[in-house]
Amino acid sequence: EIVLTQSPGTLSLAPGERATLSCTASQSIRSNFLTWYQQKPGQTPRLLIYGASTRATGIPDRFSGSGSGTNFTLTISRLEPEDFSVYYCQQSDKSPRTFGRGTKVEIK
Amino acid sequence: QVQLQQWGAALLRPSETLSLTCAVSGGSLSGHYWSWLRQPPGEGLEWIGEVNYSGNLNYSPSLKSRVTISVDTSKNQFSLKLTSVTAADTAIYFCARERLIYYYMDVWGKGTPVTVSS
Repeated sequence: EIVLTQSPGTLSLAPGERATLSCTASQSIRSNFLTWYQQKPGQTPRLLIYGASTRATGIPDRFSGSGSGTNFTLTISRLEPEDFSVYYCQQSDKSPRTFGRGTKVEIK
Repeated sequence: QVQLQQWGAALLRPSETLSLTCAVSGGSLSGHYWSWLRQPPGEGLEWIGEVNYSGNLNYSPSLKSRVTISVDTSKNQFSLKLTSVTAADTAIYFCARERLIYYYMDVWGKGTPVTVSS
C-alpha cells in the first residue's frame, strides 16, 4: 500500500504567518488523486483540496495545494484563528485508500 | 444537500460484531462510492472499505477478513459489519461519500464512537 508521510508533525505559528505542510508518498501518485482534509477536535474531517490543487466549495483562497509525483504541499498563506487544526493528506490513486498521520498546526 | 446519518451500537464486548448503518438523505446512492472509515482515539484516519450502488466492493486488506459492507438501495442506506472485535477496534467510525472523479470524500457522517471493552 502507498504510505503517506506528513511533515512536520506539529507546526507552531502565529496568526498571519504562512504555513507550509508537506505530504510525501512512498510511490508516485497521479496528482488528481491527492486530497487534503482539515479536522478540528471533536469534529468530522472537512474536505479542503482535491485533485492536489482544487479548492473544495467554500474553502477560502488562502488555502492552496500543489505538487506531483511523490511530493505534495498544502499552503495556508496567512493563518486565521480558525485555521489552527490538524490537516491530513489522502491518496486514492491505489487501493487501499491511505491517509497521512496528520500535521497539527498550533498557535505559537 | 446530501447528508449522512449514521447509527449503531456504541459499546461492544470482545469477539462481538460491530454493526453500523449510514442513511443517505437529500440524494441518491447511485453515481458515487460510499465509504466507511475509522479513527482510533488520538490517532489518524483509516479507510475500511467502500461500496457503490451496484454493490461493487473494495476493502482494506488489513480488515478484509472481518469486514462486510453492504448497500440497501430500497432504503438509500449502506452498512458496515466488523466481526470478532477487540480493543484495537475502539474508534470513531465515519461513513462518507466518495466522488467518482478522483475518489475524494466530500460528505461525511458525524461519526459513531465505538468502544470495545470487557
